[in-house]
Amino acid sequence: AQSVTQPDIHITVSEGASLELRCNYSYGATPYLFWYVQSPGQGLQLLLKYFSGDTLVQGIKGFEAEFKRSQSSFNLRKPSVHWSDAAEYFCAVGGDTNAGKSTFGDGTTLTVKP
Amino acid sequence: KAGVTQTPRYLIKTRGQQVTLSCSPISGHRSVSWYQQTPGQGLQFLFEYFSETQRNKGNFPGRFSGRQFSNSRSEMNVSTLELGDSALYLCASSLNGYNEQFFGPGTRLTVL
Repeated sequence: AQSVTQPDIHITVSEGASLELRCNYSYGATPYLFWYVQSPGQGLQLLLKYFSGDTLVQGIKGFEAEFKRSQSSFNLRKPSVHWSDAAEYFCAVGGDTNAGKSTFGDGTTLTVKP
Repeated sequence: KAGVTQTPRYLIKTRGQQVTLSCSPISGHRSVSWYQQTPGQGLQFLFEYFSETQRNKGNFPGRFSGRQFSNSRSEMNVSTLELGDSALYLCASSLNGYNEQFFGPGTRLTVL
């Protein structure tokens, strides 16, 4: 079975500070990993994805994530947070054994202090 | 390239009624997946369609059904609505179901 854990329900950072959102996954085969962002009342926007290859992946809006197989983690980072980054962030896992299905974590809500 | 579109954006129904939601995927995408999002259960996978065939299904009752047309557009239907069906229903499309998914804005269903 596939699962995702996002240990932090809510994180508050100051504008300009660095950010790291944690994600741990469980998947029986090679995982495909994703980070999405959702603003209130909106759909999910894909920030970045990992399928294979380089374990440090770059995404949109200055985000990056690092895949660590030994730790079953795929943490999201940003060096300097902007007020517009305030939103809910979801980590998800899929793979080549489960057509069209991604399993999502419960999300982390990011608040940015001015 | 146009994104994933979902109609309607908002729906209000009463218990016992049925509802049909529509999703148009990104041009060229043949896989359409549906998810239910609620504050209590989070994002849960309903089902996936590819080339008009349901390939994958989540753990939802038979009241939830779907279909896909030859142009890859998809509909999902919920019959005999219950209060607990109130949720944001999200549609996602991908090239073949094994790539990244792109989500629509969702349909907000309220059951009274």
